[in-house]
Amino acid sequence: AQTVTQSQPEMSVQEAETVTLSCTYDTSENNYYLFWYKQPPSRQMILVIRQEAYKQQNATENRFSVNFQKAAKSFSLKISDSQLGDTAMYFCAFMKLGGGSEKLVFGKGMKLTVNP
Amino acid sequence: NAGVTQTPKFQVLKTGQSMTLQCAQDMNHEYMSWYRQDPGMGLRLIHYSVGAGITDQGEVPNGYNVSRSTTEDFPLRLLSAAPSQTSVYFCASSYSAWSGGAVAGELFFGEGSRLTVL
Repeated sequence: AQTVTQSQPEMSVQEAETVTLSCTYDTSENNYYLFWYKQPPSRQMILVIRQEAYKQQNATENRFSVNFQKAAKSFSLKISDSQLGDTAMYFCAFMKLGGGSEKLVFGKGMKLTVNP
Repeated sequence: NAGVTQTPKFQVLKTGQSMTLQCAQDMNHEYMSWYRQDPGMGLRLIHYSVGAGITDQGEVPNGYNVSRSTTEDFPLRLLSAAPSQTSVYFCASSYSAWSGGAVAGELFFGEGSRLTVL
């Protein structure tokens, strides 16, 4: 069974700084997807970024980028130029290739606070 | 754009009462699911459905019942509420893994329903 670990329960950062959220996972699969979801205080979960394991290039979405280390089973999220609106819970998630959405495995989440 | 709509947003129940959390989506998604979110536990899958008439259990199904009579609706029933079911519940939907053009794993979530069982 796959597991996803987010070892930092909480972090804070100053506005405009860069912050990195860590995530590790355990799997015997070779082909899979990794995700970061964001849950702001409004509670609604939003997909931030997605990485396919077969792609060597790290995914980027505007100020959000990932550092995907397949051999180390590490998948960190870097937020550049942090904004107050980035304050949220962040969840790392894993899904094996060929699996449906029911196969998504979430980490326990990490609370990020961006301070003015 | 309605997306995924959950009702009610807040509910207080007494132990032993039953209730139904409603979920509707207007994106023609095949896949729908219910999660519960508890502090320090992340999101745990309760039940899911890959299409009308098809449901299956997730990680924590006990005490909950679901049905999927239409593509749009996926209600979650608490049969006899217990304090351990105090949680925030999320409904989510997505295209199936076999839908052309779907972004695998991209779940669309409702705003959540906070349930307190006394």
